[in-house]
Amino acid sequence: EAGVTQFPSHSVIEKGQTVTLRCDPISGHDNLYWYRRVMGKEIKFLLHFVKESKQDESGMPNNRFLAERTGGTYSTLKVQPAELEDSGVYFCASSRKGQGGYEQYFGPGTRLTVT
Amino acid sequence: AQSVAQPEDQVNVAEGNPLTVKCTYSVSGNPYLFWYVQYPNRGLQFLLKYITGDNLVKGSYGFEAEFNKSQTSFHLKKPSALVSDSALYFCAVRDSNQGGKLIFGQGTELSVKP
Repeated sequence: EAGVTQFPSHSVIEKGQTVTLRCDPISGHDNLYWYRRVMGKEIKFLLHFVKESKQDESGMPNNRFLAERTGGTYSTLKVQPAELEDSGVYFCASSRKGQGGYEQYFGPGTRLTVT
Repeated sequence: AQSVAQPEDQVNVAEGNPLTVKCTYSVSGNPYLFWYVQYPNRGLQFLLKYITGDNLVKGSYGFEAEFNKSQTSFHLKKPSALVSDSALYFCAVRDSNQGGKLIFGQGTELSVKP
């Protein structure tokens, strides 16, 4: 079974530019989460999809961030325009249907650097 | 507010010695607790979880964790550390309010020296 994949692994962009991160969850996983770790701090939740619907986007920092999940499969997270404070590692995770004690499986992350 | 605390930024142990990485939590209701490990240049890997049942949970790579409700702790342990255990460890609790999102501690860097 393939794990969660993320693309790109690294991205360096200038302030004001646009970047789109992609996440492919484990096949059949209805739940998809985005998290971010900034400046070596704790990993923080951004948002949660159940299939193609946004279940919880309370962690999205502002309207410069836009997430989509096409057909309940892969997801994209677009940052437009990027600011310096957006730098960090963006993780995607997926888990099975339901919201019980199922562990989340994480991708390798995308390291975003905004200069 | 629900939270997780890992009081130690770094833990240093000698190879072969037991290790403990500490975690305390604050949640409403019964906690679902998790430990993840991040090796250099890798993503987070699931180690173990506590949902219910036996307070001692066994996980991957010989790790175990002890759930202590009275002390609201979920410390990660291993009887004999390996150099290859050196990594960043995260404790997390599932948000009991909605959606299953995880609330993480700030992480503990474990360094095992030969």
